[in-house]
Amino acid sequence: NAGVTQTPKFQVLKTGQSMTLQCAQDMNHEYMSWYRQDPGMGLRLIHYSVGAGITDQGEVPNGYNVSRSTTEDFPLRLLSAAPSQTSVYFCASRWEVGTEAFFGQGTRLTVV
Amino acid sequence: GQQVMQIPQYQHVQEGEDFTTYCNSSTTLSNIQWYKQRPGGHPVFLIQLVKSGEVKKQKRLTFQFGEAKKNSSLHITATQTTDVGTYFCAGQSGGGADGLTFGKGTHLIIQP
Repeated sequence: NAGVTQTPKFQVLKTGQSMTLQCAQDMNHEYMSWYRQDPGMGLRLIHYSVGAGITDQGEVPNGYNVSRSTTEDFPLRLLSAAPSQTSVYFCASRWEVGTEAFFGQGTRLTVV
Repeated sequence: GQQVMQIPQYQHVQEGEDFTTYCNSSTTLSNIQWYKQRPGGHPVFLIQLVKSGEVKKQKRLTFQFGEAKKNSSLHITATQTTDVGTYFCAGQSGGGADGLTFGKGTHLIIQP
């Protein structure tokens, strides 16, 4: 049982490049979320999904897209990377509202 | 929207001293969760509090949920070097969607 798996662990992008951060969970959780963590800012919600085919915006959605075609996968797409998107990104999943969230190991992204 | 404030941002203690972090929400919460993140790691669930006035203990950690369900605290007795990390509270509002709002965290630094 792997839990929540994120790839890659580290990534350096040039301004304007696009990329996809992968997130997969094997716990059959309906709820999945993407957070970014910046120094002094805590964890801020980017996008979330309450089930396959359903996504919605969080607190800081600009510059990011998501889709949820399966229960297991919830990729995060950066459309045109900017230095302001330099951050550590965490994917999380949970069974339902009010249950504990399981986090992936994180992706450390640097945009130069 | 819902805001969760957490203080202090940093706390330096000598090993063996006690430590407390406080969490306050702008709205009444249905429950509150606590997470610990070790340096370089990902957030890991510690506990969830649901009932007004609830107190839960995990070895040297004591968690409290306020009577009005708008505040919470985490107290660590006799800190050890293994307690180093950032402690986050996460408030769950009664509304739907993702609903989990994280505080900015308290960084616990322990001097041997």
